[in-house]
Amino acid sequence: EVQLLESGGRLVQRGESLRLSCAASGFTFSSYAMTWVRQSPGKGLEWVSSITISGDKTHYGDSVKGRFTVSRDNSKNTLYLQMNSLRAEDTAIYYCAKYADTGRWADFDYWGQGTLVTVSS
Amino acid sequence: QSVLTQPPSVSAAPGQKVTISCSGSSSNIGNNYVSWYQQLPGTAPKLLMYENNKRPSGIPDRFSGSKSGTSVTLGITGLQTGDEADYYCGTWDSSLSAGVFGGGTKVTVL
Repeated sequence: EVQLLESGGRLVQRGESLRLSCAASGFTFSSYAMTWVRQSPGKGLEWVSSITISGDKTHYGDSVKGRFTVSRDNSKNTLYLQMNSLRAEDTAIYYCAKYADTGRWADFDYWGQGTLVTVSS
Repeated sequence: QSVLTQPPSVSAAPGQKVTISCSGSSSNIGNNYVSWYQQLPGTAPKLLMYENNKRPSGIPDRFSGSKSGTSVTLGITGLQTGDEADYYCGTWDSSLSAGVFGGGTKVTVL
């Protein structure tokens, strides 16, 4: 059974840093690209970042570019999101998700339960 | 303001049909495949449709997808109370070099 378990979300102050983790199991983690998507309270989905299978290529949404860094450790089956210079507008539930076999952006066939990041101003 | 435009809400009685539209442009829907997600209250999104009209394993054929030009439509027939959820379309935008989602549509079963 595929499982994605995010962790690391908590209350932080504006300007602080935070690292989220996503522990994967039930599939060959090193064979799939991964992504982070967030959802502000009561709002819609927003793509944050994606990373290729080997981690050699990363992509970011404009709102986090230059502040967030996605990485992965295939030996530990874990995806990370380093978040720096946090802002109040970064307050959201952060989901990690697995790309489907199509390898196409937007085809995310498994999602974690999410971890809540709250940035206090 | 989302790049992809969805109606905020749609509703229908049990057993009826609803359609949810998602409108974009040539840089996103017009030249890329679209996926649809269902998000039940308090849960993570679930892939409902990919490549415009393909259903992942386990998704009933009450759900259908279609595409015309720069718009896509999700259809739900035989509406059930368990279908009450938020529905999102998503695709890649080649001009923005970014993934984009619609603003979401809340489906209410009357």
